[in-house]
Amino acid sequence: EAQVTQNPRYLITVTGKKLTVTCSQNMNHEYMSWYRQDPGLGLRQIYYSMNVEVTDKGDVPEGYKVSRKEKRNFPLILESPSPNQTSLYFCASSFFRGAVFGYTFGSGTRLTVV
Amino acid sequence: GQQLNQSPQSMFIQEGEDVSMNCTSSSIFNTWLWYKQDPGEGPVLLIALYKAGELTSNGRLTAQFGITRKDSFLNISASIPSDVGIYFCAGDGNNNDMRFGAGTRLTVKP
Repeated sequence: EAQVTQNPRYLITVTGKKLTVTCSQNMNHEYMSWYRQDPGLGLRQIYYSMNVEVTDKGDVPEGYKVSRKEKRNFPLILESPSPNQTSLYFCASSFFRGAVFGYTFGSGTRLTVV
Repeated sequence: GQQLNQSPQSMFIQEGEDVSMNCTSSSIFNTWLWYKQDPGEGPVLLIALYKAGELTSNGRLTAQFGITRKDSFLNISASIPSDVGIYFCAGDGNNNDMRFGAGTRLTVKP
């Protein structure tokens, strides 16, 4: 089944403790992206990647890192999480950047930083 | 960047009623998409629109790409309980920078 898989689904952590949220897609998509969803703000892009070893900042990149060493994986790294990073996170992928093909989303990771 | 305004923010309707929501953009879009997010899941693409004036249906859903290329609407006819969720519009302009609206949260009362 074609899908984007995120792990974990739920995570509670403490301020400052480094964490990684994994994202993997099995559709051979070149484009991958991370979003955060907050009430009243919709989906805001954190980082995106056009291809292996090519990453770029989205609208809200502060406090996050990403890497794209393989085509299928695009982990999101929070080096020192803070409470304002409590949010619902989505990974998405597509053949290309932009709306033409639409994006396939993972099921989400709900992160709470205390 | 391009700004998307989606309205209404939330809707509470009775089962069987029709629903309408819309999005407007501060600039011209080349593509409009409508997604639905079920509780606890990621958004899923419902309808994609590629031409100004285009009207597309997917079952009980109908969406239109506005003539000005700055707006789009989504209609749901004869709503049912499983229509509950958050509906997002999305689109992009000339720089392939896709933007999402803030979402419309739909509640359907049986």
